[in-house]
Amino acid sequence: GESVGLHLPTLSVQEGDNSIINCAYSNSASDYFIWYKQESGKGPQFIIDIRSNMDKRQGQRVTVLLNKTVKHLSLQIAATQPGDSAVYFCAENWGTSYDKVIFGPGTSLSVIP
Amino acid sequence: GAVVSQHPSWVICKSGTSVKIECRSLDFQATTMFWYRQFPKQSLMLMATSNEGSKATYEQGVEKDKFLINHASLTLSTLTVTSAHPEDSSFYICSARQTNRGEQFFGPGTRLTVL
Repeated sequence: GESVGLHLPTLSVQEGDNSIINCAYSNSASDYFIWYKQESGKGPQFIIDIRSNMDKRQGQRVTVLLNKTVKHLSLQIAATQPGDSAVYFCAENWGTSYDKVIFGPGTSLSVIP
Repeated sequence: GAVVSQHPSWVICKSGTSVKIECRSLDFQATTMFWYRQFPKQSLMLMATSNEGSKATYEQGVEKDKFLINHASLTLSTLTVTSAHPEDSSFYICSARQTNRGEQFFGPGTRLTVL
């Protein structure tokens, strides 16, 4: 099926450092992108989104960057905390006749205290 | 924010039996609900999209006769796994959306184990 992202990396960061999680998407026609956080045994939790007419959006401690030229998304987490440990997924709003959200493979973030 | 619930949160069943999972939007009306399946250490795979009062649209490779979806009201969608087998064991997650372009709100998931 459709997919966003190419692999499932893991990322370990020291508490207090900044984290950068990357994602590649495949559909150049997609116009809306979302980052989700998923803790073990739970459903995905919305973090931040961005539309294709923007290249940067900031939230609380998080920033999403969108590079449409190379179809790349990144999520930056400032001052990473132990509670940020989770799997992070980028997702793409698949712009067909009906909207559906396609998830990337995910990145596991582990914060070292 | 909007809340989506799922019931049950986990279920264990014998091979060959059918299992029904409910997805409810608690404080909003969901025009569209989505069903995902997630195997361990993998991403969420979209199974189907259902609009209230319409037949569900299934993704390629998902058997519509095995995974029956009903979206009879604006607050409830059900997924029935018919004649479940061990390979159907997975984490099933639903999401709900209020408008055509609105944010999706995810349920907490249902862990299905088929013995």
